Amino acid sequence: DAKTTQPPSMDCAEGRAANLPCNHSTISGNEYVYWYRQIHSQGPQYIIHGLKNNETNEMASLIITEDRKSSTLILPHATLRDTAVYYCIVRDNRDDKIIFGKGTRLHILP
Amino acid sequence: DTGVSQNPRHKITKRGQNVTFRCDPISEHNRLYWYRQTLGQGPEFLTYFQNEAQLEKSRLLSDRFSAERPKGSFSTLEIQRTEQGDSAMYLCASSLGLGVKSYEQYFGPGTRLTVT
Repeated sequence: DAKTTQPPSMDCAEGRAANLPCNHSTISGNEYVYWYRQIHSQGPQYIIHGLKNNETNEMASLIITEDRKSSTLILPHATLRDTAVYYCIVRDNRDDKIIFGKGTRLHILP
Repeated sequence: DTGVSQNPRHKITKRGQNVTFRCDPISEHNRLYWYRQTLGQGPEFLTYFQNEAQLEKSRLLSDRFSAERPKGSFSTLEIQRTEQGDSAMYLCASSLGLGVKSYEQYFGPGTRLTVT
């Protein structure tokens, strides 16, 4: 079973920052937080991952709370192409498979 | 583009027939994964290979399902005696087994199976 809880859907205006929350209150010390997204009719795409520290790459930023029980994925300037289902995943890097939940369906509004 | 490719993209079959899907991973990736996704759900893990060895199988993978990766390159997923409940998107992913980017799985576009 997925170890994360996400809202089923969210809206965000184009050009604004999209902040997607994720709860993972049972995360253990050696588990990472991963984010993938799935655009309609495509396979999932890796976005970012982190353990304790906040992370940033060309796609997004990941903010992890100090107690690691929740995190937020930030898309700084959302575009229509960011409309997708976003999956927050908790994963031990020694575990090869990914356990997906239902994710958050993000709608970017023009 | 040398991403993960899957064939066919769509397959319609009648209940009871056998079907086979193919996945070609990114060439230097030694790990290959199969997932299944039904409408409104996230992908569910089925099985994975490191090179030609099948290392883990989910309990979702019934006896009617078999996967192979004979030369450690492409993989096939066969479903025998298909049932309507097998209708789903079948996703393949690959990754490097070791190294900095080993955590990142690259997914193909999927094969959508419809069993009538």
